[in-house]
Amino acid sequence: DGGITQSPKYLFRKEGQNVTLSCEQNLNHDAMYWYRQDPGQGLRLIYYSQIVNDFQKGDIAEGYSVSREKKESFPLTVTSAQKNPTAFYLCASSPRDRYGYTFGSGTRLTVV
Amino acid sequence: SQQGEEDPQALSIQEGENATMNCSYKTSINNLQWYRQNSGRGLVHLILIRSNEREKHSGRLRVTLDTSKKSSSLLITASRAADTASYFCAPFVVGAGNMLTFGGGTRLMVKP
Repeated sequence: DGGITQSPKYLFRKEGQNVTLSCEQNLNHDAMYWYRQDPGQGLRLIYYSQIVNDFQKGDIAEGYSVSREKKESFPLTVTSAQKNPTAFYLCASSPRDRYGYTFGSGTRLTVV
Repeated sequence: SQQGEEDPQALSIQEGENATMNCSYKTSINNLQWYRQNSGRGLVHLILIRSNEREKHSGRLRVTLDTSKKSSSLLITASRAADTASYFCAPFVVGAGNMLTFGGGTRLMVKP
């Protein structure tokens, strides 16, 4: 079955460390997105990519970086420059010819 | 992109009752999408209504759209405990990155 896989489900990071969250899709979707969700809050857009080797900053890109070397993959790196990284991170994808996003199950990142 | 604002922020009902959630937005749109998020999970696309449609049904879901008032409503009929989740609306405008922006959502609790 096609879908989006985010890994790991839970991640613990020490302060000052970079950490990379994985997002892989086998839906052949062109666009991919990263969102951050804080407890009881909505989703805020971090980065998005419409095509391979191209991506744009969202509303809260500071302290994060991404790459899009393959259509299927859109990893997110949370750098030490992100001061409050503890949150729930969601990856999504969408096709070129239809509306609607497909979301992964999320990664919960905790700074310890 | 533009963000929808859901109202109420929280809603608690008994099983079997109907649940109505509202969404307001600010500018002209191409379509409006509703998503559900179970606790600790990713969002799931529920239904899309285009700007030239006034009402749409899918199972126990009924969505209305009033473009003159820039508002939409989601009605869940005969609610079940399994409907307990957060619900988000996402107004969509073609262009400008084709991104979706999500508000804080409506947290629905259905008591058995």
